[in-house]
Amino acid sequence: GAVVSQHPSWVICKSGTSVKIECRSLDFQATTMFWYRQFPKQSLMLMATSNEGSKATYEQGVEKDKFLINHASLTLSTLTVTSAHPEDSSFYICSAPIETDTQYFGPGTRLTVL
Amino acid sequence: AQSVAQPEDQVNVAEGNPLTVKCTYSVSGNPYLFWYVQYPNRGLQFLLKYITGDNLVKGSYGFEAEFNKSQTSFHLKKPSALVSDSALYFCALNQGGGFKTIFGAGTRLFVKA
Repeated sequence: GAVVSQHPSWVICKSGTSVKIECRSLDFQATTMFWYRQFPKQSLMLMATSNEGSKATYEQGVEKDKFLINHASLTLSTLTVTSAHPEDSSFYICSAPIETDTQYFGPGTRLTVL
Repeated sequence: AQSVAQPEDQVNVAEGNPLTVKCTYSVSGNPYLFWYVQYPNRGLQFLLKYITGDNLVKGSYGFEAEFNKSQTSFHLKKPSALVSDSALYFCALNQGGGFKTIFGAGTRLFVKA
């Protein structure tokens, strides 16, 4: 079946540094990918839609300059958390649609900012 | 506006007993409804979906869900729960085939041996 991978699976960084998270579709091409954020014991909140060959579309309230998204190819999207702060600590999950309505999710990346 | 509600934060059930995880939705058009399961520190795994057709949808791991248009519900069910079913379950909604997905708050299922 379709597989979406994320790297790294977990990362710890110091406040003020930037962290890049990769999302890859392993056996299919994805012109669109989605980035979600999940706080402990809470649901997924859509942050942005990553579009291959064009700018990402951000949801209301998400700072585009802080969460940089680059859809470098048909199989890779990256999320860079710039100047990370402890409040950015969260579980970040990407997904890619493979059918007209179904998404496949990556395993998630746990970010801890000290 | 679209929304998904999972009225129960937690469901407890004994192993071997039937389980139900509730979900109701609100959408102006035709709903595309999904159930996903999440294990600790993992991404979401697709269980099943309803797009059209038979109101009873069968999915992975013995789960099924029943679409009820009049009650705007899409409850997840399993005839006999396993301890390994213990996880966080999310109901989700797309409107009319779009990719943008709205998730419910999640329901934590505990299956006791």
